[in-house]
Amino acid sequence: EAGVVQSPRYKIIEKKQPVAFWCNPISGHNTLYWYLQNLGQGPELLIRYENEEAVDDSQLPKDRFSAERLKGVDSTLKIQPAELGDSAVYLCASSPRDTLTGELFFGEGSRLTVL
Amino acid sequence: AQSVAQPEDQVNVAEGNPLTVKCTYSVSGNPYLFWYVQYPNRGLQFLLKYITGDNLVKGSYGFEAEFNKSQTSFHLKKPSALVSDSALYFCAVRDMGGATNKLIFGTGTLLAVQP
Repeated sequence: EAGVVQSPRYKIIEKKQPVAFWCNPISGHNTLYWYLQNLGQGPELLIRYENEEAVDDSQLPKDRFSAERLKGVDSTLKIQPAELGDSAVYLCASSPRDTLTGELFFGEGSRLTVL
Repeated sequence: AQSVAQPEDQVNVAEGNPLTVKCTYSVSGNPYLFWYVQYPNRGLQFLLKYITGDNLVKGSYGFEAEFNKSQTSFHLKKPSALVSDSALYFCAVRDMGGATNKLIFGTGTLLAVQP
């Protein structure tokens, strides 16, 4: 079974440029998460989707960040414009549903460097 | 507010010796507790969880963790460390009595197993 797939794995951009990350969850997983992982920190939730609906986006900085999951499968996270402080690893995870007791399945992450 | 603490940035242990990675938590209700492992340039992988029942839970790769309600701890243990166990370990908690059931991660502990 294929795992959670993310691309690109690495991205280097100049500040004020836009950037987008793509995630394809495990087949059949209805719940999709985007996490931010700063260096030396644990992952922090940015947004959670149940199918195509964003049910928790309280931690997403909406002035520059946006996300979509149009058909309830793969998802895109966009930053426009990027700032120096956005340099981090962006992790995507999925689960069969937002089960409180279940595990999350993570992708390998997209490492962003903003110069 | 719920929180989770991993007091050690790094734990060093010799191969074959027992290892412990510490985790303490603070929640308003009952906790759901998890351990994840992150190998270099890889996504997080689920190790084990405590939801209810026996305080000693067993997980992948020979790891186990003990839930201690009075000490609000959930330390990760393994009787005999392997060099291949070297990785970054994250403790996470869901506060089932809080305003949100969001999964909160600790800052991580780097485990280094010397041959």
